[in-house]
Amino acid sequence: QQQVKQSPQSLIVQKGGISIINCAYENTAFDYFPWYQQFPGKGPALLIAIRPDVSEKKEGRFTISFNKSAKQFSLHIMDSQPGDSATYFCAADSGGGADGLTFGKGTHLIIQP
Amino acid sequence: GAVVSQHPSWVICKSGTSVKIECRSLDFQATTMFWYRQFPKQSLMLMATSNEGSKATYEQGVEKDKFLINHASLTLSTLTVTSAHPEDSSFYICSARGFFEQFFGPGTRLTVL
Repeated sequence: QQQVKQSPQSLIVQKGGISIINCAYENTAFDYFPWYQQFPGKGPALLIAIRPDVSEKKEGRFTISFNKSAKQFSLHIMDSQPGDSATYFCAADSGGGADGLTFGKGTHLIIQP
Repeated sequence: GAVVSQHPSWVICKSGTSVKIECRSLDFQATTMFWYRQFPKQSLMLMATSNEGSKATYEQGVEKDKFLINHASLTLSTLTVTSAHPEDSSFYICSARGFFEQFFGPGTRLTVL
């Protein structure tokens, strides 16, 4: 599987601030880019996903920005809340969601009250 | 979102025994299910892709004779860890593919003594 590079490894943000997590990929065949949120001892939950035909997608406080030419995408969490404290994974696949996902290494996000 | 269940949620077994983990899509039919493995504080690694009615496809480095996968119906896939050893201790997570997205189960914590 091709690699997806995720940064930062860990992130501390004040309550109400903007959390930004970045991912980069190499495989130009990737055509589906989801973000997952995982709490300790739980399975990942799909937050938001984007396909390469759009540059931005927003759902509530979560926004994905996608730069096809740079092969990068990022997650922005607006008005970050303590309940957002979790591990976030970016992922990608080349089957439009039909293939197994290649995950980034994850970002441990802490929102300080 | 769609619901995927796993059973059991945790299991402790002795070295040399076999353990079966079930993955069910509760409110949709999934022709494809995936099995991932996650070590503590690490990312998810795809182990195998399971298609209903056919043999599973294993990722490089995953022993197919050790990790037996059966996808007998559109709502059920099972992973059997045969002759488990302590190094097989991990968090096993399944996902089921919906129309566009993958939905993850809550995971199964396997501890091999």
